[in-house]
Parts: sequence; C-alpha cells; structure tokens
Amino acid sequence: GAVVSQHPSWVICKSGTSVKIECRSLDFQATTMFWYRQFPKQSLMLMATSNEGSKATYEQGVEKDKFLINHASLTLSTLTVTSAHPEDSSFYICSARDRRLAGETQYFGPGTRLLVL
Amino acid sequence: GEDVEQSLFLSVREGDSSVINCTYTDSSSTYLYWYKQEPGAGLQLLTYIFSNMDMKQDQRLTVLLNKKDKHLSLRIADTQTGDSAIYFCAATPDTDKLIFGTGTRLQVFP
Repeated sequence: GAVVSQHPSWVICKSGTSVKIECRSLDFQATTMFWYRQFPKQSLMLMATSNEGSKATYEQGVEKDKFLINHASLTLSTLTVTSAHPEDSSFYICSARDRRLAGETQYFGPGTRLLVL
Repeated sequence: GEDVEQSLFLSVREGDSSVINCTYTDSSSTYLYWYKQEPGAGLQLLTYIFSNMDMKQDQRLTVLLNKKDKHLSLRIADTQTGDSAIYFCAATPDTDKLIFGTGTRLQVFP
C-alpha cells in the first residue's frame, strides 16, 4: 500500500514552454500532497503544500505564478512549470500523506527529471 | 527554523554495521524519519520514530533517538551492497512540513 506515482518520469522541453507534472496516490486518499525540488547531490527543498480543494501554500522564495499547483481530487495533484527556463531544470518529487496511517508519514513518488534546453 | 545536519559520506565493508547520524535543532518535532534514495529515484520510507521513544528496531534497522542532545541515528546491521544509497533523516517541526537533512551517501564495498 501507500504507492505514489508521478508522470512523466523524464521531460525535456524548450525554454519558454510549460510543463505539467502529475502526482497520483494510487491506493489511498491523500488530503495533502507536497512538492519538492532536488538539485544534484543536494537535499530536498519543499516548494509547496497542496491541500485538496484549496489553494496551495508556497514556501518562501517559490514563485506561485511560476509553479502552478492544482489539487483537484484526493488522488491527484499537478505541478505546472510555466515558461520554463534552463534554471528550472531539476528533479521534482511529490509526496502524499495518508492521515489514516500512523506517523503523519509522507510517501514519495519516483520523481520527475526536467531538463529545459 | 529547523536545521537538520548529517555527515556527507560513509563507507563500510559488506557485512559490517553502518551507523548514520543526524542532528536537528527544533525539539518540537513529533516524528523523525529515515528515508533512502537510490540514484535517479524518489524516496523510500525506511522507518520513523515517535519523539517520546528512545529506540525502535525493525529487522536490520535500529533507530536511536537522544532527544536531550537532539541526535538521531540509524544503524543498519549486516550491511549489504544493496544498501548503497543516500540516506536522509527528516524532522517535522510542524505536521505540514518535512525538513530534510543534507543526506549521507552510504557506500558498501565487498
């Protein structure tokens, strides 16, 4: 149980285009999903917290107009990187929390590697 | 804010025990976690410990928590080559956030 998927796993795009990344909880309902960004050989940095049916809460320094988050259902959250530029190239990882499980545990997706040319 | 630190690198021989250490600054974390990340992959939850516990054992994994010193450790018994990965500890200063450590790269050699 507690499986989280992401799609796509890899994306290469031209500068100026928008890219949408999907995060799905496959076997549980996730009232909260989280989006992280990880640079090579670095730790994960929380970008935003996404609650189903409400606006996402962004961390300081993260542009909400640049990284659009939608959490329309209890099993799906999307992150859209708008007008992507090479500096947006990174590894994006989502996680989902199942409040029924002990520990307030977050379960992570496999990540999406974005390369902007 | 919460600051979580780990040593960057650990190298052990196959069959030995590995101990990965983590320190944190905010004592209000209710849960503390250990995650494993293999190259190019997401994070796999290994184990977690509730803040009122001192120790938790799960098969080859033993977590020790010293709340007074804000020190957390993960011991892997009988380390195998498949254990080679990056290990992250994470604290939860509030229930909506996981603050990750810098990650410890574990290398297991034959």
